[in-house]
Amino acid sequence: GEDVEQSLFLSVREGDSSVINCTYTDSSSTYLYWYKQEPGAGLQLLTYIFSNMDMKQDQRLTVLLNKKDKHLSLRIADTQTGDSAIYFCAEIRNYGQNFVFGPGTRLSVLP
Amino acid sequence: SAVISQKPSRDICQRGTSLTIQCQVDSQVTMMFWYRQQPGQSLTLIATANQGSEATYESGFVIDKFPISRPNLTFSTLTVSNMSPEDSSIYLCSVDKGNSGYTFGSGTRLTVV
Repeated sequence: GEDVEQSLFLSVREGDSSVINCTYTDSSSTYLYWYKQEPGAGLQLLTYIFSNMDMKQDQRLTVLLNKKDKHLSLRIADTQTGDSAIYFCAEIRNYGQNFVFGPGTRLSVLP
Repeated sequence: SAVISQKPSRDICQRGTSLTIQCQVDSQVTMMFWYRQQPGQSLTLIATANQGSEATYESGFVIDKFPISRPNLTFSTLTVSNMSPEDSSIYLCSVDKGNSGYTFGSGTRLTVV
């Protein structure tokens, strides 16, 4: 099947905003997700958005969804060194049968 | 939300041996999932484990190499059999929390030497 796409690397300065982008493939995906993986750790669900929403905000996190372009983004405001991690977007395909991850974006936060 | 305990957290194994990874969930769940994350890669689903039936394997994964047990609704094991260095990966179990996403174990970092 087609891949979920993300840019692999992103570097930002501490205090700036980070924007991580994702392109997904299944227009029938009802939920889209962002997961965070810190070094040596498992995956942590950061946030998710229902497909009938354009935007969801949760403290420093803002998720934007463009269904027409199948584009999902995660914005982290006031990025901190503790935000350094790999961020995976994920979609549910085939009406819930398959949960598919993007390749992950490695976010580096510079002091 | 479900809490998953996964162990071991890491292991270094000799080629040709087998390792069994355990996942314990603090609530009953219908399906448990096993993923592999190869170095620098995203996650790939190995199989779905249902209680009371044989696991369903994804393309490229077979039961002889990755036997799975699911004896009850809170526990599952994945065995990596006859290991080779190519099996060096992080293995993660996961459960479906419904529409709010999946919960993952902390992962098992396997190195085969």
